[in-house]
Amino acid sequence: DAKTTQPNSMESNEEEPVHLPCNHSTISGTDYIHWYRQLPSQGPEYVIHGLTSNVNNRMASLAIAEDRKSSTLILHRATLRDAAVYYCILNDMRFGAGTRLTVKP
Amino acid sequence: NAGVMQNPRHLVRRRGQEARLRCSPMKGHSHVYWYRQLPEEGLKFMVYLQKENIIDESGMPKERFSAEFPKEGPSILRIQQVVRGDSAAYFCASSPFRFGKVNTGELFFGEGSRLTVL
Repeated sequence: DAKTTQPNSMESNEEEPVHLPCNHSTISGTDYIHWYRQLPSQGPEYVIHGLTSNVNNRMASLAIAEDRKSSTLILHRATLRDAAVYYCILNDMRFGAGTRLTVKP
Repeated sequence: NAGVMQNPRHLVRRRGQEARLRCSPMKGHSHVYWYRQLPEEGLKFMVYLQKENIIDESGMPKERFSAEFPKEGPSILRIQQVVRGDSAAYFCASSPFRFGKVNTGELFFGEGSRLTVL
């Protein structure tokens, strides 16, 4: 079973920021926190990953709690193309059910 | 650089037949991972292979399912005597190093093979 828990679904308005939470209370000191997303009828794609410090890339930002037991994926301006299932995983490669993000125009 | 290639993209089998799904990893990648996704569900880890070796098969059903990654050629996920419950999308991913052990941070996924069992 996955070691992460996420809300089943979230909604956002287009061009507004989205904060997707993930809990991983049993994370080990060597676990990286990885985020992937899966667009409809496609394979998952990498979004971002981090260990302890917050991370930014062209797709998103990752905010990691100081105790590392939770993290938040931040999409700064959601677009309709960001509608997908977002997965938070650790080094064990186990995906949970993820969060289905709906973006409203 | 071609991505992870999976074939066939769609496969239809009758109950009791065999299904073989192939995965060609990205060039230079020696680590392959297989996942199953039932309709409207998340991805379930099945098996992790590194050239010619099964490293972690803790997610594989004990019967009818097997996987290999030979020295030459693609990785194969084989399902014998398929049942309707095997109908799903099967995704393969590859990476240049063992996921999580080196800070590569990325699994590269294929587009999946969709198995329908009649």
